Amino acid sequence: AQRVTQPEKLLSVFKGAPVELKCNYSYSGSPELFWYVQYSRQRLQLLLRHISRESIKGFTADLNKGETSFHLKKPFAQEEDSAMYYCALSGQLGGGNTGKLIFGQGTTLQVKP
Amino acid sequence: GAGVSQTPSNKVTEKGKYVELRCDPISGHTALYWYRQSLGQGPEFLIYFQGTGAADDSGLPNDRFFAVRPEGSVSTLKIQRTERGDSAVYLCASSLAPGQPYEQYFGPGTRLTVT
Repeated sequence: AQRVTQPEKLLSVFKGAPVELKCNYSYSGSPELFWYVQYSRQRLQLLLRHISRESIKGFTADLNKGETSFHLKKPFAQEEDSAMYYCALSGQLGGGNTGKLIFGQGTTLQVKP
Repeated sequence: GAGVSQTPSNKVTEKGKYVELRCDPISGHTALYWYRQSLGQGPEFLIYFQGTGAADDSGLPNDRFFAVRPEGSVSTLKIQRTERGDSAVYLCASSLAPGQPYEQYFGPGTRLTVT
């Protein structure tokens, strides 16, 4: 079955502390992995995707195929990072992939001053 | 430029009624997706359109749900005989084409409450 699991509903850290939001997935094949973010009263938006291997707002995520994980990390959390974070996957490009996303349940990141 | 828009932003209806939710995608985006987000959950895929046709409707929960996109732009999600369990935020997203590297852009959602 295709599934994304985010084990933490809430992660609370102090400003300047490191952050790691966990994501594990189950998929038969080679999926594309993403992190989406939703700030308060804003719409869902793409934060980063593994295929582009970029760092956005200081966040990085490494795809570990052996552990089927795609954890999101940031070395020093900022208060403006407080938001809901969703890990998501879609099928690999080609082979009739529609691009539909399968989301995890989300983790609320709370960065305290 | 204008992003994805959805109307209405909120809809309250009585159990058993019919509702229509509208999505205006970004101009030129051929791929359009509907998702449903229940309280405390991540978005769940409902249906995908490529142009005018529904290329994947595997996420529609039952035959009370139907969606159209007659001219390949605006889409309408239709729910017949609404039930309290249909209460959720309905999200629409569009992208230039399906799959990567094209990013999906989400609308603000329609919050549906069935009383």
